[in-house]
Amino acid sequence: RKEVEQDPGPFNVPEGATVAFNCTYSNSASQSFFWYRQDCRKEPKLLMSVYSSGNEDGRFTAQLNRASQYISLLIRDSKLSDSATYLCVVCLDYNQGGKLIFGQGTELSVKP
Amino acid sequence: DAGVTQSPTHLIKTRGQHVTLRCSPISGHKSVSWYQQVLGQGPQFIFQYYEKEERGRGNFPDRFSARQFPNYSSELNVNALLLGDSALYLCASSLGRDSQTGNSPLHFGNGTRLTVT
Repeated sequence: RKEVEQDPGPFNVPEGATVAFNCTYSNSASQSFFWYRQDCRKEPKLLMSVYSSGNEDGRFTAQLNRASQYISLLIRDSKLSDSATYLCVVCLDYNQGGKLIFGQGTELSVKP
Repeated sequence: DAGVTQSPTHLIKTRGQHVTLRCSPISGHKSVSWYQQVLGQGPQFIFQYYEKEERGRGNFPDRFSARQFPNYSSELNVNALLLGDSALYLCASSLGRDSQTGNSPLHFGNGTRLTVT
């Protein structure tokens, strides 16, 4: 079983649609959670951190459920510029090297 | 301000050769991590260095090694290259000891694309 698993893509949606990405993680020692965005042939960039209380940044809402070891990202009113691969990322605690574990990514394509 | 810089941007090697990839972190960042990303997958953690010491190692063979210099730049070395080593190698830096915290996000370089033939 992969340590971090995401919805297989790609997601093809029209502009203005709401799209949700799901992610599960297997290591209960995971301490921090993030969503990264990676454009084609570019480096990953931090989109937002994910907190247990849920957090929102404009059109983006992230949720964390520690009991279910589940993370989600919701994008509302999607734009053409949202087209990218979205990576679910889990950070283990320092005793396990503090390393980031990336999911395989879910590709989003927003069409006019 | 310069971001994380990696060199070279592209590299073609043949099986059995060795390769050295270089990374300069953002000024003031003391932690450097290396990731391997094969096509269609997320980045896989290889190493983390903080203050010139190895702090974490991923599930990679001993052919992979790295080091961090007093100026916090880093090198990733891969010996006896295999076809499967073809990937994008990403370097990331952060301010603190932990790979990532809310206040110390990880910044990635553009990567080195290695092709092994």
